Amino acid sequence: DTGVSQDPRHKITKRGQNVTFRCDPISEHNRLYWYRQTLGQGPEFLTYFQNEAQLEKSRLLSDRFSAERPKGSFSTLEIQRTEQGDSAMYLCASSLEAGNTIYFGEGSWLTVV
Amino acid sequence: GQSLEQPSEVTAVEGAIVQINCTYQTSGFYGLSWYQQHDGGAPTFLSYNALDGLEETGRFSSFLSRSDSYGYLLLQELQMKDSASYFCAVRDTGYSTLTFGKGTMLLVSP
Repeated sequence: DTGVSQDPRHKITKRGQNVTFRCDPISEHNRLYWYRQTLGQGPEFLTYFQNEAQLEKSRLLSDRFSAERPKGSFSTLEIQRTEQGDSAMYLCASSLEAGNTIYFGEGSWLTVV
Repeated sequence: GQSLEQPSEVTAVEGAIVQINCTYQTSGFYGLSWYQQHDGGAPTFLSYNALDGLEETGRFSSFLSRSDSYGYLLLQELQMKDSASYFCAVRDTGYSTLTFGKGTMLLVSP
């Protein structure tokens, strides 16, 4: 069990550029979640997948954000035309379908300058 | 919608006992979870309560009262390494995801 891994861990980008984050969940977990966290706040739900199906998206999720999980394993989160307000830590998590516990990765820090 | 309230900061000394409270409002309720997060690290699972009562795991215990929409995390024999942020989170019966509170920063001093 290697845990949830995320890449890159840190990304600095210029406003207007696109960025993509990758998440590899725990291998037997069929649910995968993306959260966003800013300083002094709790993780904020963005979207989640069950296998390859994206089942829920937050109403707060801008259309500049898109997530995929093409083969039901790893997932990518892309942010297009980044804005300074996108600066945050993007957390990926995974769980079993019937599980009450979600396991987080170390996060990907995004700084938009 | 869902909302959770927890204190923003709690301070304590090594060896002491501290309680972090959480009140929640949800349209449905499936369970209350607690997560710990050290600076710059990932949130890590501590405990989960679906039914009323106390769950104990080593130095940490978690309590839930569904009728009061209230829970707490109890940390005993505090150690310096317990300095971290602690989040309560609820799963609504209508959703498969967790909604987190804003977190309580625990500062443990010598």
